[in-house]
Amino acid sequence: AQKVTQAQTEISVVEKEDVTLDCVYETRDTTYYLFWYKQPPSGELVFLIRRNSFDEQNEISGRYSWNFQKSTSSFNFTITASQVVDSAVYFCASSGGGADGLTFGKGTHLIIQP
Amino acid sequence: EAGVAQSPRYKIIEKRQSVAFWCNPISGHATLYWYQQILGQGPKLLIQFQNNGVVDDSQLPKDRFSAERLKGVDSTLKIQPAKLEDSAVYLCASSFQGGGTEAFFGQGTRLTVV
Repeated sequence: AQKVTQAQTEISVVEKEDVTLDCVYETRDTTYYLFWYKQPPSGELVFLIRRNSFDEQNEISGRYSWNFQKSTSSFNFTITASQVVDSAVYFCASSGGGADGLTFGKGTHLIIQP
Repeated sequence: EAGVAQSPRYKIIEKRQSVAFWCNPISGHATLYWYQQILGQGPKLLIQFQNNGVVDDSQLPKDRFSAERLKGVDSTLKIQPAKLEDSAVYLCASSFQGGGTEAFFGQGTRLTVV
């Protein structure tokens, strides 16, 4: 069984600030996968990134970066130089190595003010 | 490539009525999921299909919810009879295969039970 905790319910920053969204996961699986999804006001969940438990390399994609640390069971997401279009609810999710579906956290509502 | 298609987008019904949602996954995706997202929460997995077989329906309220995926492509989710607490967005997703591959989501059906 998987459990994902996103302690930050809502974050509000001014445009161009950097912001980090926290994600802590719990699992008994040796092989597991971690994900981030974005849910804009339109409602559709947009896939951002997938990481497997054997790959702790950090990843950067444009203004987005992800920090995976097994020692603290965290998979944090940083947006650099935030923009108004980044405003959305962001979900962290995990799945086991078998045929598991995704287990989602409660989400962090990110508000970027102009 | 066409995304996951869902219909209808919105539905309002009275309690004790029945309702059905339809989903067409991305072509070639063997795994199909139905999630329930209550306002302010993360999506919760209701049922997962691999081709036309059920992989996980442990969180599906089977006394009132049913789902099928005939011929391993389209799927329908039915609620009968509906309760007030079923008001939520019902999200369909598909992935190439289960077990840690990224899932792609449709726009969802927003159900209001009055």
